[in-house]
Order: sequence, then structure tokens, then C-alpha cells
Amino acid sequence: DADVTQTPRNRITKTGKRIMLECSQTKGHDRMYWYRQDPGLGLRLIYYSFDVKDINKGEISDGYSVSRQAQAKFSLSLESAIPNQTALYFCATSDPGTGLIGEQFFGPGTRLTVL
Amino acid sequence: AQSVTQLDSQVPVFEEAPVELRCNYSSSVSVYLFWYVQYPNQGLQLLLKYLSGSTLVKGINGFEAEFNKSQTSFHLRKPSVHISDTAEYFCAVTDIIQGAQKLVFGQGTRLTINP
Repeated sequence: DADVTQTPRNRITKTGKRIMLECSQTKGHDRMYWYRQDPGLGLRLIYYSFDVKDINKGEISDGYSVSRQAQAKFSLSLESAIPNQTALYFCATSDPGTGLIGEQFFGPGTRLTVL
Repeated sequence: AQSVTQLDSQVPVFEEAPVELRCNYSSSVSVYLFWYVQYPNQGLQLLLKYLSGSTLVKGINGFEAEFNKSQTSFHLRKPSVHISDTAEYFCAVTDIIQGAQKLVFGQGTRLTINP
């Protein structure tokens, strides 16, 4: 079983719709991240959470919100989707306490298309 | 803040040829450096990392990278590529943003192996 899972894997939605992307992990890591990937731009950080009570904005948080329901679950919401939010979205986890400095573990991604 | 530049957006090579994917980062202060690989329709996985010590780092699948502090570079190399190496490769560096250590990614290099 995958350590970091994302649902859905693909989603097509319309402008103005609310959509939620979900991430679950079985790695027991406290830190979780949401990134978006756009061609030629690499991965950009949307939000991150270092524990259930700690949520922080990343470099491109406008238009997004998150919820950390438990250590294992971190959801990303688009309150009113717009076409330029069409992208590949990745969830990741990390646990620097184990000595894995900076290393992050990624889910398989969610491909979101906003029409 | 740190930034990462991957100098080539696409690199086509023939099978069994050597390859070098170039990566430069912006700061010479103490950093941790990573290469991640993204195979088609998959999430990112760690290829190798430099934390300290030997400047030549060996990773999975025969890849290696050399940390060059004076040139602020961390180029990825493989002496003989295989069709299965076709993927997108991301260089990343740790940075302290808002008091927390996070990864900053380059734009990605798409490696295409031709038979």
C-alpha cells in the first residue's frame, strides 16, 4: 500500500465550483505539504502544516485553503475554482526528527482541470 | 531566499550515452541539496541528496551528483542511460522561510532517452 495517497487522482470541474483534494498518509509524519506543479515552473508550495494545530501559507496560497483533520489527513480546497488553477497537485510529508533532513515523500498527484 | 535554476528544460540523449543535468542554486550558505525524479504519471521520489561530507553523492539507478560550493552547483550525472531513465528531474534546495525549513524546487528537466 502507498504511504501517501491522494484522492481523486483526476478531476474536471467548472469555473466557480468548490472542490476538495484529499491527502492521507500512513508514514506517521507530522509535517505535510501541498504543492502545485505547472509545466516549466517546477513545484510551488501552496500550504504546509507542521502539526495538527500549525498551518502556514506557502508562496502561492491565494485562492486556496486547507484543513488538517488529523495527523494523517491534510485537505486542500479551492473555494471557487478558476481556470488558472488547472495543474497537477501533490501532497507530501516529512519528518526531520528521524534525520531525514529536508527529504519529503510525495503522493501520486491529482490532476485538476478547471473549465 | 534561495532559488534554484535548472539550466536545461529538456535534454534528449541516446541510450547508453552519458548525461549531465545541470542545477545551480543561489546562495553559498550551508544548504542541503536534493535531486528528485518523476516518472510519467507518478509522484516524485528521491534520487539522491547532499547533506554534508563527501561532495560526490551516489544515488539510486546509477545516478550521482557533485556538490560544488564555489560554483553553487549540484549537477546530476549518469555515465550510461537507459530507456527507463526517461522522466522529469527536479533539483531542490532547503531554505529557511518564515522560520521553517522548506524545499525550494527548480523548474525541472525533462530527460528523453532515444533508442
